[in-house]
Amino acid sequence: LAKTTQPISMDSYEGQEVNITCSHNNIATNDYITWYQQFPSQGPRFIIQGYKTKVTNEVASLFIPADRKSSTLSLPRVSLSDTAVYYCLGGYSGAGSYQLTFGKGTKLSVIP
Amino acid sequence: NAGVMQNPRHLVRRRGQEARLRCSPMKGHSHVYWYRQLPEEGLKFMVYLQKENIIDESGMPKERFSAEFPKEGPSILRIQQVVRGDSAAYFCASSSQDIRKNEQFFGPGTRLTVL
Repeated sequence: LAKTTQPISMDSYEGQEVNITCSHNNIATNDYITWYQQFPSQGPRFIIQGYKTKVTNEVASLFIPADRKSSTLSLPRVSLSDTAVYYCLGGYSGAGSYQLTFGKGTKLSVIP
Repeated sequence: NAGVMQNPRHLVRRRGQEARLRCSPMKGHSHVYWYRQLPEEGLKFMVYLQKENIIDESGMPKERFSAEFPKEGPSILRIQQVVRGDSAAYFCASSSQDIRKNEQFFGPGTRLTVL
């Protein structure tokens, strides 16, 4: 089964735009791509979800190219409170099974 | 509308004991997922259940671990004869739609410590 891959960590200064890219080879045709945010000692929290092209909500934007082999989460003007681990999630099907796969997460550190 | 609830929040067991983790999904949700998170690591899928059925248990260890989601009551993740390596945070999530939509709502987790 394929897996998601994302950078282990990123640093950014307050007020900057942050882009985190996740690769997800062999994602299933009907699957959506979802991003979550997790603070220490808490459960993950949904940020945004998309299928292809661009999706935007009040928190973030999600860019998915036509081939859907990757996705980029964009956080505009980050603040200290955006320091967290960000996970991309895609589903994969193959060999008769279905498996949800989280990436290993990208630890974003926002610097004052 | 209460979110996903998990209890206990913290559980301490000695090696060889049994651990039972409970998860009540959001109201109206019939899909439940369990994940394990080891310290400083990402979330690893364990099992996906719908009411009374196990849909995908490809992430569950072959021995000592079991899960159920009865018609009535919460979903239960059961770990028999716990070992130190089982110490982790166990998260439950629920969703209302087909799994491929992937919009899951997570509970606060149960932190299991095995002495």
